Amino acid sequence: EVQLVDSGGGLVQPGGSLRLSCAASGFTFSSNWMHWVRQAPGKGLVWVSRISGDGTNTIYADSVKGRFTISRDNAKNTLYLQMNSLRAEDTAVYYCVGVVMIIPHWGQGTLVTVSS
Amino acid sequence: EIVLTQSPGTLSLSPGERTSLSCRASQSVTGNYLAWYQQKPGQAPRLLIYGASSRATGIPDRFSGSGSGTDFTLTISRLEPEDFAVYYCQQYGSVPQTFGQGTKLEIK
Repeated sequence: EVQLVDSGGGLVQPGGSLRLSCAASGFTFSSNWMHWVRQAPGKGLVWVSRISGDGTNTIYADSVKGRFTISRDNAKNTLYLQMNSLRAEDTAVYYCVGVVMIIPHWGQGTLVTVSS
Repeated sequence: EIVLTQSPGTLSLSPGERTSLSCRASQSVTGNYLAWYQQKPGQAPRLLIYGASSRATGIPDRFSGSGSGTDFTLTISRLEPEDFAVYYCQQYGSVPQTFGQGTKLEIK
């Protein structure tokens, strides 16, 4: 069974940093592109970033480019999102998403709150 | 970037009724990689349909998906009380993945 478990969220001040993690199991992690998606309170779903299976190819939404870094450790079956220079508008639930055999699978999400 | 437009924005219906939700793409969705989700307050999105028409594991057969190219539909054949929620479509065939703005299904 495919399972994705998000963690690392919390309260951080504007300008601060946070690293999110997503622990994957039940599939060949290194073979799959992985994504981060976020949802601000009361708003819709927005794609944030994607990384290739070997970690060499990454792409970001314009709103986070230059501030967020997606990475992965295939030995640990774990996806990361390093978030720097956080802003109030980055407040959201962050979900990792992996498409396995054309089926999208989601983590349960982790809440990031940027506030002083 | 593929823009997904869902309609209607809000739907007021009664349990037992049949309904169809629309998702229209600004360009053809690669591989018909179109998914539908149900989301309730405080919960993660729940996958209902993937690949435009395949039902996810454990999803009741009153939910069905159809369409291809740029026009997709989620049909709920007979609404149950637990079906009242927000529904999103997602295209995951090209980057960036994009989502519709959601259709809120509320009890009349």
